[in-house]
Amino acid sequence: RKEVEQDPGPFNVPEGATVAFNCTYSNSASQSFFWYRQDCRKEPKLLMSVYSSGNEDGRFTAQLNRASQYISLLIRDSKLSDSATYLCVPYTGRRALTFGSGTRLQVQP
Amino acid sequence: EAGVAQSPRYKIIEKRQSVAFWCNPISGHATLYWYQQILGQGPKLLIQFQNNGVVDDSQLPKDRFSAERLKGVDSTLKIQPAKLEDSAVYLCASSPISDGRRAFFGQGTRLTVV
Repeated sequence: RKEVEQDPGPFNVPEGATVAFNCTYSNSASQSFFWYRQDCRKEPKLLMSVYSSGNEDGRFTAQLNRASQYISLLIRDSKLSDSATYLCVPYTGRRALTFGSGTRLQVQP
Repeated sequence: EAGVAQSPRYKIIEKRQSVAFWCNPISGHATLYWYQQILGQGPKLLIQFQNNGVVDDSQLPKDRFSAERLKGVDSTLKIQPAKLEDSAVYLCASSPISDGRRAFFGQGTRLTVV
């Protein structure tokens, strides 16, 4: 089983829609979680950190289910500028980050 | 604050040639990472430095890849000889702490091997 699994998408949604991505992880020792955003041909940038059951930042909500070993990212009121690839990163306390393959979101006008 | 600087931005080489990439981390960041990102995949760690020492190079193909971080600041990643499957974006990241949770990435070097 892969360490991190994400639905590659693409998710094509209209502006204003709500969209959610799931990410499953195999290592139950994962302590915290990150969602990174990567625009086309750009570097990954940290979007959100999750240290307990979840986190909310404006239109973005991350929820963690430790029992089922998945973390989700919910985006409300999608904007065209949200179009990007979203990378899930469960963190086990090892020194470097292990990235999922990412889920591609395309928000359409 | 200046970000992580990488050069060159793009490189095209023929297979079996050599290539080197350079990274200048954010000032004061002790930890430096090199990641390889193949199209359609997430970044994969190649090597991690803490100051000028190697912390993790378990996924570095050492028969052809090498990296150094002399003086604990700038770093270079070299591929010799390159293979077609080395075509990827090579991302450098730095972090002020050793556990990687505050990693900042450079824009990357896009390598095409033909």
